[in-house]
Amino acid sequence: GENVEQHPSTLSVQEGDSAVIKCTYSDSASNYFPWYKQELGKRPQLIIDIRSNVGEKKDQRIAVTLNKTAKHFSLHITETQPEDSAVYFCAANPRGATNKLIFGTGTLLAVQP
Amino acid sequence: GAVVSQHPSWVICKSGTSVKIECRSLDFQATTMFWYRQFPKQSLMLMATSNEGSKATYEQGVEKDKFLINHASLTLSTLTVTSAHPEDSSFYICSARGDRGPRNIQYFGAGTRLSVL
Repeated sequence: GENVEQHPSTLSVQEGDSAVIKCTYSDSASNYFPWYKQELGKRPQLIIDIRSNVGEKKDQRIAVTLNKTAKHFSLHITETQPEDSAVYFCAANPRGATNKLIFGTGTLLAVQP
Repeated sequence: GAVVSQHPSWVICKSGTSVKIECRSLDFQATTMFWYRQFPKQSLMLMATSNEGSKATYEQGVEKDKFLINHASLTLSTLTVTSAHPEDSSFYICSARGDRGPRNIQYFGAGTRLSVL
């Protein structure tokens, strides 16, 4: 089955710096890769996603890149702010399924003011 | 739009009792709902997928008789933890996939923290 690995497990950056979180997946049939942000005590919320027909997607300070050949994708946050502090989860859909996601282990991002 | 409500947010129960958790899509019809379990500082582990009007599909290692899932309508799915034991204590979170728009996107509830004494 699909296996999604995420690194690092914790990441501390200074406010204004960039943060990068990386994920790898095992199922070459996966074609949808979302990123969720979960603030302490709150629900996960979708912040950006990418499909396998594109290599990069950007939304203001957030971008995601996808390398299908290497089966990895990354989340890039530029000009980090304290409110970016949260746990970030990547996910992939196994066997290209439209109704299932397998999540990575999460990255705790701490942005130091 | 795309709001998912989960209730209760926190429940404490005695060992051996059953607990029901509700997951509702408030402003859209959820053809598919998902139930996850999240341990402290760990990822979201998919427990089961439920489709309206049909039996839930459980992930490997999840006891279907222990975790009863009912998806009786397009806006409501319930998870019942039967004969709960302390090892069932965890954070349970649901998500719903809508009937319109990008089909992969899941919208999450706020979660239920279950503590079994």
